Amino acid sequence: GENVEQHPSTLSVQEGDSAVIKCTYSDSASNYFPWYKQELGKGPQLIIDIRSNVGEKKDQRIAVTLNKTAKHFSLHITETQPEDSAVYFCAASFAANFGNEKLTFGTGTRLTIIP
Amino acid sequence: AAGVIQSPRHLIKEKRETATLKCYPIPRHDTVYWYQQGPGQDPQFLISFYEKMQSDKGSIPDRFSAQQFSDYHSELNMSSLELGDSALYFCASAPSHLAGEGSGELFFGEGSRLTVL
Repeated sequence: GENVEQHPSTLSVQEGDSAVIKCTYSDSASNYFPWYKQELGKGPQLIIDIRSNVGEKKDQRIAVTLNKTAKHFSLHITETQPEDSAVYFCAASFAANFGNEKLTFGTGTRLTIIP
Repeated sequence: AAGVIQSPRHLIKEKRETATLKCYPIPRHDTVYWYQQGPGQDPQFLISFYEKMQSDKGSIPDRFSAQQFSDYHSELNMSSLELGDSALYFCASAPSHLAGEGSGELFFGEGSRLTVL
C-alpha cells in the first residue's frame, strides 16, 4: 500500500516569512496529492491539491510543487500570517473517473507562526 | 453550502461498552470514508463505502463494524470498547464516481470525539 512521509513534524516561522513542508510517497500509481489544514478540534480542510499531470499549482499565498520522478511534493506558504498556525497534512491517493481510493495521510506538520 | 454532519460530537463510554457514530454525507455524495485520529496522530483509514457497499477496508478492528444506508448516511458501530479506542473519528464524503466527478477530494466532517474510561 501507499506510504507517505512528511517533514518536518514541527515548524516555527516569523510572521511574514515563508514556510515549506515536504512529503514523499511510495506508490507510483498515486496521482492525486492534496494538502489539508487541521485546526484544533476540527476536521481536516482541503487547502490545495495537485494532480500528477501538473508540476506546480498556486493559489494566492499557497503553492504546491510535485516531482513525479522523485515521488515528492511540497507545500509552500508565503507571507505567513498568525491564522496560518495549524497542523498541515499531506496525502496521496489514486483518483480516477470511476473510483476514488482512500487518502493516505502523512504524519502532519505543526506550523506555528510567531508574531 | 452543506457539509458532512457527524453525530454525536462528543461521546464518553466505559470499557467494554458499545458506541455508535453517525455520518451524514454532503447531498449527492455516494461515497463515505471513516478515519480514526489518535492524539497527535495522522488520520488512519478504517473503512469506506460506495453505493451502500463496502469499497475498501483499512485498519479497522474486528470489534468495529460499519454500514451505509439507503439514504447514504453511514454508521460506525464499536463494541467491547477499549481505552485505546479513545480518538477523534472522522467521516468524509466524496461525490459520485459514475458522473465522472471522481476528483479525489474528500470532504471531512468535524469529527466525533470518543473517550473511553
